[in-house]
Amino acid sequence: DAGITQSPRHKVTETGTPVTLRCHQTENHRYMYWYRQDPGHGLRLIHYSYGVKDTDKGEVSDGYSVSRSKTEDFLLTLESATSSQTSVYFCAISRGEETQYFGPGTRLLVL
Amino acid sequence: GENVEQHPSTLSVQEGDSAVIKCTYSDSASNYFPWYKQELGKGPQLIIDIRSNVGEKKDQRIAVTLNKTAKHFSLHITETQPEDSAVYFCAARLIQGAQKLVFGQGTRLTINP
Repeated sequence: DAGITQSPRHKVTETGTPVTLRCHQTENHRYMYWYRQDPGHGLRLIHYSYGVKDTDKGEVSDGYSVSRSKTEDFLLTLESATSSQTSVYFCAISRGEETQYFGPGTRLLVL
Repeated sequence: GENVEQHPSTLSVQEGDSAVIKCTYSDSASNYFPWYKQELGKGPQLIIDIRSNVGEKKDQRIAVTLNKTAKHFSLHITETQPEDSAVYFCAARLIQGAQKLVFGQGTRLTINP
């Protein structure tokens, strides 16, 4: 998985609780991305980062925030989890050319 | 914004036959088109990609073709094997905005022995 780890790999939480997912890379890539994957929707971009402290929204950013204080870590936070945020979350990294490499994913269930 | 449509959503072929998956995109300025393979429980893995200045690219049993005029590109897998069974995603790179990709909905390919 191109030096990308995600934690936790599985999480069950309750509606209204905050949740933070972590993406860690050892490749020193500039760009990092968070996607969610749902049946029938492919992969949809939530947020991305183009450098430390530089982030921007993707197409499905409502209800999510991100932070990147170090090159190697990109955090995704659900401030108050809802059942509609039950999904599989993938982190990806890129050097800056087009190719993106994906992590193993985090399976999140919001009850 | 960019929109990518992928067909079919499921595809079943006999081992040894060929499989073709097609994608169309909406933004004529898009210039990079990767294909990913996703096995059960894993993250997507890049298998082949093509840039807009090339019409076809091959890598062993896998090939991708691009028709810029029609705004569609296709994945071709020849001599299919059971290990080709997976979900395949196409994507297109937005020309604007920090290397963002827009993905198709995915195709579940099943190779029947």
